[in-house]
Amino acid sequence: QKEVEQNSGPLSVPEGAIASLNCTYSDRGSQSFFWYRQYSGKSPELIMSIYSNGDKEDGRFTAQLNKASQYVSLLIRDSQPSDSATYLCAVNTGWGKLQFGAGTQVVVTP
Amino acid sequence: DTGVSQDPRHKITKRGQNVTFRCDPISEHNRLYWYRQTLGQGPEFLTYFQNEAQLEKSRLLSDRFSAERPKGSFSTLEIQRTEQGDSAMYLCASSPTTGLWNTIYFGEGSWLTVV
Repeated sequence: QKEVEQNSGPLSVPEGAIASLNCTYSDRGSQSFFWYRQYSGKSPELIMSIYSNGDKEDGRFTAQLNKASQYVSLLIRDSQPSDSATYLCAVNTGWGKLQFGAGTQVVVTP
Repeated sequence: DTGVSQDPRHKITKRGQNVTFRCDPISEHNRLYWYRQTLGQGPEFLTYFQNEAQLEKSRLLSDRFSAERPKGSFSTLEIQRTEQGDSAMYLCASSPTTGLWNTIYFGEGSWLTVV
């Protein structure tokens, strides 16, 4: 059974601090990885994709991938109250079929 | 708005009734996916199409579920004889490429409540 694991949280982060989210996956053949943000009652919104080992930065977000360790992470710098949401890690198992973790709830406190 | 469009956004139905959801993908996206998400869980893959061909169905898709994509454009997901366990958000997504490792984009979802 292929799995994607995330800490469920909630992860409480002071405003302005860095939020660090982690994700591990079991399918060694996966080649593309995504982070989605989901506000309560809304659909997932793509915020980052990463395909190669190392870091990828986009604004206040940095995704990190280590295929050898089967580990993906997301850093949110200068956290804002609007970043309060559930963050879903997703692994593309092929042909766009995504396997999701259960999500990590992030709460940014003023 | 040129994103993935889903209709209806919310549906309340009585147990045993049939419901149908429609999805209009991003223009020219040849892949279309259906996912289901229940509270506290990540979305789960149900099925996907490449153009009009349904290429894969998850074991989650029982015989009461059927999906179509006539002419390779919009898609419908029908649930027959709904059960309370079908209550979930049904997400449609589409993809712009035919590659193995492509990015998919979700619509706003269709909430189903079975009472």
